[in-house]
Amino acid sequence: QQQVKQSPQSLIVQKGGISIINCAYENTAFDYFPWYQQFPGKGPALLIAIRPDVSEKKEGRFTISFNKSAKQFSLHIMDSQPGDSATYFCAARTDNDMRFGAGTRLTVKP
Amino acid sequence: NAGVMQNPRHLVRRRGQEARLRCSPMKGHSHVYWYRQLPEEGLKFMVYLQKENIIDESGMPKERFSAEFPKEGPSILRIQQVVRGDSAAYFCASSPHGYEQYFGPGTRLTVT
Repeated sequence: QQQVKQSPQSLIVQKGGISIINCAYENTAFDYFPWYQQFPGKGPALLIAIRPDVSEKKEGRFTISFNKSAKQFSLHIMDSQPGDSATYFCAARTDNDMRFGAGTRLTVKP
Repeated sequence: NAGVMQNPRHLVRRRGQEARLRCSPMKGHSHVYWYRQLPEEGLKFMVYLQKENIIDESGMPKERFSAEFPKEGPSILRIQQVVRGDSAAYFCASSPHGYEQYFGPGTRLTVT
């Protein structure tokens, strides 16, 4: 059962552009929503996270927007750089486990 | 503060052999999670452990797979009688309190 749906599957953005990745969830018991960045051959790295009592969180070029009523959240990468090219995963946590989206492969063209 | 350590990084096993994957959490972290990742796919939760206790193993196959996190030493994911379908990257993550999870570099298991 896929509890977190992520889109798009792949994304190509020009350098300096905005990358937007979306996730939707079903389980209202989720209480923590992180985003992870993964480079080939490496483990996922925690990028930024939000809790449902906040609608937006910004850290540097990365922003999470959270819509509790729509059960959706998104990652915005401002001024995208070639070094941002990686696979991004959204996730949602309940008491005992973390459910991950299927991932978005981002390519930032120079 | 060293990150999450996993070893071995690469493991090759023949069908029917046993695979043992080790995970040392970050210092001060008592929550450990194991995930499996197939190529070009997301992470699938397998098991959540705290020291000496399995909290949730709902994502782990009922047969051949087991996990432990002893009072002393690393967490171990054990796969008995491996089959080709077990080939995947296995990631361990640790957390100080069950929210932020920090991942290790993974063990890439190949079954020949």
